[in-house]
Amino acid sequence: KAGVTQTPRYLIKTRGQQVTLSCSPISGHRSVSWYQQTPGQGLQFLFEYFSETQRNKGNFPGRFSGRQFSNSRSEMNVSTLELGDSALYLCASSLSVAGGRNEQFFGPGTRLTVL
Amino acid sequence: AQSVSQHNHHVILSEAASLELGCNYSYGGTVNLFWYVQYPGQHLQLLLKYFSGDPLVKGIKGFEAEFIKSKFSFNLRKPSVQWSDTAEYFCAVNKPGSQGNLIFGKGTKLSVKP
Repeated sequence: KAGVTQTPRYLIKTRGQQVTLSCSPISGHRSVSWYQQTPGQGLQFLFEYFSETQRNKGNFPGRFSGRQFSNSRSEMNVSTLELGDSALYLCASSLSVAGGRNEQFFGPGTRLTVL
Repeated sequence: AQSVSQHNHHVILSEAASLELGCNYSYGGTVNLFWYVQYPGQHLQLLLKYFSGDPLVKGIKGFEAEFIKSKFSFNLRKPSVQWSDTAEYFCAVNKPGSQGNLIFGKGTKLSVKP
């Protein structure tokens, strides 16, 4: 079974631009979560999508948004980029079985650099 | 707010030494607990997980962790480390109702000297 894939792997943008990152979950997984990883803050939860609906949301500004498609693929968008948005953005998918006993499988991440 | 603390930022060991990495969480209710590992240049991989039952959990590559509810701890152990264990280790927790939302510790970088 193919793992979680993320595109692009690397991205360089300038301040004020916007960016869209893509994530394809493991086949059959319906939940997709996004995380931001930085040296200073570590891994921080952005949001989770399940069945095309945002189910959980972290403490990030509204410039960060996402969506999920009917095939469970997900995109996240960051508008009006700031230098502090430079980070590794990780996507994770899970089966999301009822009862909460789910493990998340992570993709390789998209390295975003904002100049 | 829920939080996870990993007390050691960087641990340096020689091969064959024993390893114990500390993890404490702040949430008082039922939690799911995880240890993830990130090898240099690779993506996060699950080492082991605890949902319920036996508090001593065995994972891949000889790792194990013990859940001590009274101490809100989930420490990771390995009796004898290898150079290939050099990586960053992350403890994470979520609540059964927030399964897609993992709260991570800041990570512990392990360097194993050959």
